[in-house]
Amino acid sequence: EADIYQTPRYLVIGTGKKITLECSQTMGHDKMYWYQQDPGMELHLIHYSYGVNSTEKGDLSSESTVSRIRTEHFPLTLESARPSHTSQYLCASSGDISTDTQYFGPGTRLTVL
Amino acid sequence: QKEVEQDPGPLSVPEGAIVSLNCTYSNSAFQYFMWYRQYSRKGPELLMYTYSSGNKEDGRFTAQVDKSSKYISLFIRDSQPSDSATYLCAMSRMDSNYQLIWGAGTKLIIKP
Repeated sequence: EADIYQTPRYLVIGTGKKITLECSQTMGHDKMYWYQQDPGMELHLIHYSYGVNSTEKGDLSSESTVSRIRTEHFPLTLESARPSHTSQYLCASSGDISTDTQYFGPGTRLTVL
Repeated sequence: QKEVEQDPGPLSVPEGAIVSLNCTYSNSAFQYFMWYRQYSRKGPELLMYTYSSGNKEDGRFTAQVDKSSKYISLFIRDSQPSDSATYLCAMSRMDSNYQLIWGAGTKLIIKP
């Protein structure tokens, strides 16, 4: 059973606001990921981390930033939210070096007005 | 061209039917192959994974890998309405740090 948590689950916010989406896992996994997914569409990798103080950009260009100060915590920040950021954001973690089997949180559904 | 191709569907079948979901890939270096299930408005959950070629069975689900054809399949027997979801394939290889490469997902609808 994977223990990975995301907060908030739903967020409606106005344009220009700064927001932070939280992701925490209790499994001690080194790898963590952020994906963006529009309804009915495929997953797009926006950020990943291989461990503390390691962060990389994914395939999808994103105006968000991430940090990894603690193993269990991988927050994603949008400095100035725009309507184009409206989407579902999914956090995942992986503790298996060879298979990269990923376990997902429930997601944050973000709406920017 | 994408490294992993998956028909987005939707695929609609009657309850009790055998379902076949498929992915093709272009890079023969892929070693680990996975299937995830994603219900609407939820995160994906791992169903099964296989290493290299062959079959793996778990209850009503069978995963099959054909490396010579670069083709993987997920079979669902005695399909149930609760199987209605999007099914995503994913795979990893050593030369990309084993980072998962995802298919686009196939939406499956099981009609009662």
